[in-house]
Amino acid sequence: DSGVTQTPKHLITATGQRVTLRCSPRSGDLSVYWYQQSLDQGLQFLIQYYNGEERAKGNILERFSAQQFPDLHSELNLSSLELGDSALYFCASSVVRGMPTNEKLFFGSGTQLSVL
Amino acid sequence: TQLLEQSPQFLSIQEGENLTVYCNSSSVFSSLQWYRQEPGEGPVLLVTVVTGGEVKKLKRLTFQFGDARKDSSLHITAAQPGDTGLYLCAGPKGSGGSNYKLTFGKGTLLTVNP
Repeated sequence: DSGVTQTPKHLITATGQRVTLRCSPRSGDLSVYWYQQSLDQGLQFLIQYYNGEERAKGNILERFSAQQFPDLHSELNLSSLELGDSALYFCASSVVRGMPTNEKLFFGSGTQLSVL
Repeated sequence: TQLLEQSPQFLSIQEGENLTVYCNSSSVFSSLQWYRQEPGEGPVLLVTVVTGGEVKKLKRLTFQFGDARKDSSLHITAAQPGDTGLYLCAGPKGSGGSNYKLTFGKGTLLTVNP
């Protein structure tokens, strides 16, 4: 158990809909990362938050947004869903000590999103 | 173009065999990490290599960081069915300080048959 909790584990929805994925980081971790994993693209970095502030942005679509709340949990909002958005979405957390070599990411079990 | 290229993409072997998987890049990394991901779970960090030429051992797993810090390898001795999983390498790329992204290769899917 990594200590990172993601809900829901599975989500089935239709094209055009909007969903919210939730992540609770490990106790004490200030940073939350969101990744998307698909068979063809692999694990793609979407966005990082540190203590409530956006820290880094990756290949995140404009239809997607995220936020980190004062209690440090994070939500990833996906809107106007398309078939191609079907993927595994992972949240990870870390302490973030400021140096990349010290970074250790702890991943949740993921949310499997199926857009039909 | 993938920043980190992993090979082979798939590997199926018998229990007891040895194997090596590779992670290559044209870019220099300050460090590289190896993760293992089992079905239905998120990746789990195995090791971080930092110094060019560094070798780290984790039981039957041996990790090596290339001298030029552009590549890494993972060697497994006497593989067991419990080693089955997706092996991912990852490295930080960014504009300095904490503003970086941990970039992953697509992974090597290893199956160890009993």
